[in-house]
Amino acid sequence: AQSVTQPDIHITVSEGASLELRCNYSYGATPYLFWYVQSPGQGLQLLLKYFSGDTLVQGIKGFEAEFKRSQSSFNLRKPSVHWSDAAEYFCAVGFDKIIFGKGTRLHILP
Amino acid sequence: EAGVAQSPRYKIIEKRQSVAFWCNPISGHATLYWYQQILGQGPKLLIQFQNNGVVDDSQLPKDRFSAERLKGVDSTLKIQPAKLEDSAVYLCASSQGLAEYNEQFFGPGTRLTVL
Repeated sequence: AQSVTQPDIHITVSEGASLELRCNYSYGATPYLFWYVQSPGQGLQLLLKYFSGDTLVQGIKGFEAEFKRSQSSFNLRKPSVHWSDAAEYFCAVGFDKIIFGKGTRLHILP
Repeated sequence: EAGVAQSPRYKIIEKRQSVAFWCNPISGHATLYWYQQILGQGPKLLIQFQNNGVVDDSQLPKDRFSAERLKGVDSTLKIQPAKLEDSAVYLCASSQGLAEYNEQFFGPGTRLTVL
């Protein structure tokens, strides 16, 4: 069955520290991969997406993600987080239909 | 460019009542999606329209949920009668076309509380 796993429900990092949010998927083939961010009271915003080609994908707001086929992973990274990055982050996969993970809530310590 | 509009933003009803949500997608976007996001979970696709036709409604509880997009623009999602487990945020999204690489743009959602 197709699924997306985000193993960390909550993550807390200090402002200025680096960040990595984990995402693993189960799919019959290499799907399209997405990361979305949801701020309180807001809709989801696409951070980046991977379809093919270079496995390191650059997104908006300084985020990047790396696709690792052997690990069925698509982890999101940022070298230095800002207080405004506090939000919920969703990994999603799909072809004809997008399946979302349960999300990771990011907290930023001042 | 205006984003996806949804109304109302919040709704509180009692179980067995009916409720309707409205969505206005980005102008020119042919594909419209309704998602249900239960607290602590990711969004789950309920129904997908291409213009005014249904592409996928496999996860829509059709005994109580209905949706329409009569003129291929605005859409309404209705629940009748509501159950406690329908408490969730209902998100509307739109994209230019059917292809999965078309970015989906999300509205702010309608938070439904069923008492």
